[in-house]
Amino acid sequence: SAVISQKPSRDICQRGTSLTIQCQVDSQVTMMFWYRQQPGQSLTLIATANQGSEATYESGFVIDKFPISRPNLTFSTLTVSNMSPEDSSIYLCSVARGVNTGELFFGEGSRLTVL
Amino acid sequence: GENVEQHPSTLSVQEGDSAVIKCTYSDSASNYFPWYKQELGKRPQLIIDIRSNVGEKKDQRIAVTLNKTAKHFSLHITETQPEDSAVYFCAASRRNNDMRFGAGTRLTVKP
Repeated sequence: SAVISQKPSRDICQRGTSLTIQCQVDSQVTMMFWYRQQPGQSLTLIATANQGSEATYESGFVIDKFPISRPNLTFSTLTVSNMSPEDSSIYLCSVARGVNTGELFFGEGSRLTVL
Repeated sequence: GENVEQHPSTLSVQEGDSAVIKCTYSDSASNYFPWYKQELGKRPQLIIDIRSNVGEKKDQRIAVTLNKTAKHFSLHITETQPEDSAVYFCAASRRNNDMRFGAGTRLTVKP
């Protein structure tokens, strides 16, 4: 399985600020994804990070709020912009084991608290 | 899009008993059904999965069954142990980028 490193692991942020989360994978992967897990809730897909092109966002998520970069096949960033307390969540980076195999591996997550 | 429902939301069993968690999905084109275990403060980890061309899969104390006609699948844990206590998520997908997760089941195994 891929080794996925995320940072920061946790942070406390002020309302109105932005924070960028980094995801580093130890091998090249075709597909990388960003999920959000609100406290006590399930995992919701934010977007698919595409290498060399804009991310593909799910319904309810927009680029202005969650800009994503994917400069190469091992790295991606997710920015949470203009944060409010409702953005307090765990944000998880995920990679697919292969193309169309379905199996996903998750990073440790980044726990954000917005005051 | 795909909608996955999961029941029960909480489940408490005595150590040694069996636990069953059930999920239904809406998209008949879904063909991959994984189960993830998430311990408190940890990342979700894949524990077992099944593809649509298989009706049942077993790995030691855990098994998953799939009924494509009824569009439901279940996780079975036998001889439960306290370390099985966690939140379990089912999911369904057609491709990597459309995996939808159930709401989760908090399993507590009482010693």
